[in-house]
Amino acid sequence: GAVVSQHPSRVICKSGTSVKIECRSLDFQATTMFWYRQFPKKSLMLMATSNEGSKATYEQGVEKDKFLINHASLTLSTLTVTSAHPEDSSFYICSAEGQMYEKLFFGSGTQLSVL
Amino acid sequence: DQQVKQNSPSLSVQEGRISILNCDYTNSMFDYFLWYKKYPAEGPTFLISISSIKDKNEDGRFTVFLNKSAKHLSLHIVPSQPGDSAVYFCAAREAASYDKVIFGPGTSLSVIP
Repeated sequence: GAVVSQHPSRVICKSGTSVKIECRSLDFQATTMFWYRQFPKKSLMLMATSNEGSKATYEQGVEKDKFLINHASLTLSTLTVTSAHPEDSSFYICSAEGQMYEKLFFGSGTQLSVL
Repeated sequence: DQQVKQNSPSLSVQEGRISILNCDYTNSMFDYFLWYKKYPAEGPTFLISISSIKDKNEDGRFTVFLNKSAKHLSLHIVPSQPGDSAVYFCAAREAASYDKVIFGPGTSLSVIP
């Protein structure tokens, strides 16, 4: 079945640094990838929709200058958390639309901890 | 405004019995509904889905029922197994809205051996 690889699985960084998270579709081409954020005991919040070769579409309230999304190829999307602060600490998950239109395949997530 | 609601944050069920997880939505434009299962520190995995033109979809132990008039869907798991213990997210998508998926807050299911 379709596999989405997300890396790194866990990152701890100092406040003010930037962190890049990669999301790859391993055996299919993903024209659209989604980035979600999950707070403890909360739902998955859609941050942005990433389309290959074009600018990402951000959800209301998500700072596009803070969360930089690049979708340079059909198999890779990256999320860069710029100048991270403790409030950015969260679990970030990417997903990609598989061949079956209705299904999303998720990466394993990245736990970001900003000290 | 939460478009997808799961009013029960948690549910405990005895092994072998039926688990029923409920989900309500407000956006009548949603045309596809999905259920995902999630373990801690992992990405969600797809369980089962249903199109708005259907009222039931079954896959093994999992059945999803959709009541469009009530804007309500439910996931039935029977028989429940301890390995089913996880957080279950109801999700909905609207084709006209760039296909983005909106998730409910999740229900934590505990299946007691």
